[in-house]
Amino acid sequence: GENVEQHPSTLSVQEGDSAVIKCTYSDSASNYFPWYKQELGKRPQLIIDIRSNVGEKKDQRIAVTLNKTAKHFSLHITETQPEDSAVYFCAAGSGANSKLTFGKGITLSVRP
Amino acid sequence: DGGITQSPKYLFRKEGQNVTLSCEQNLNHDAMYWYRQDPGQGLRLIYYSQIVNDFQKGDIAEGYSVSREKKESFPLTVTSAQKNPTAFYLCASSGLAGRDTQYFGPGTRLTVL
Repeated sequence: GENVEQHPSTLSVQEGDSAVIKCTYSDSASNYFPWYKQELGKRPQLIIDIRSNVGEKKDQRIAVTLNKTAKHFSLHITETQPEDSAVYFCAAGSGANSKLTFGKGITLSVRP
Repeated sequence: DGGITQSPKYLFRKEGQNVTLSCEQNLNHDAMYWYRQDPGQGLRLIYYSQIVNDFQKGDIAEGYSVSREKKESFPLTVTSAQKNPTAFYLCASSGLAGRDTQYFGPGTRLTVL
């Protein structure tokens, strides 16, 4: 089955700096890659996703890049703010079986 | 994701008791999912259902059971066979199974005493 790994497990940045979170996946059949943000005690919220037919997608301060050959995708957050502090999960899925496989999450801390 | 509700928010049960967690959605989504979240473990899939009256085991189905009698409802029963049931349980739904975004409910925190 699919295996998704996130690196690093924790990340601390200064407010205003950029943050990059990387994920790798194992199943070349995966074609959908969402990113979720989860604040303490809350539900995961989708922040951006990318499908395998594109290499990059942007939404204001957030962008995701996908390298299908290397089987990795990354979340980029620019001009970080304290409210960006949360746990971020990446996931991978395919249309074949409807499952999403999640990484273990990374805790991002933005220092004021 | 406001169209997915879970109840109760907190649940306490004695060891050896079965307990059922509710998940309802009014988004007319075809697929529904149950995940378990433990600290440092991410989200692990318990069961999922693509259509009414059909469901499949996820990665950690042992000790759990589900039903999908209605499109909008996907209850999860945590049985006494689940060895470590204390966790945060999240329900999700998607419009077209496997090809669309999964939206999560607010979760139920189960504590077994």
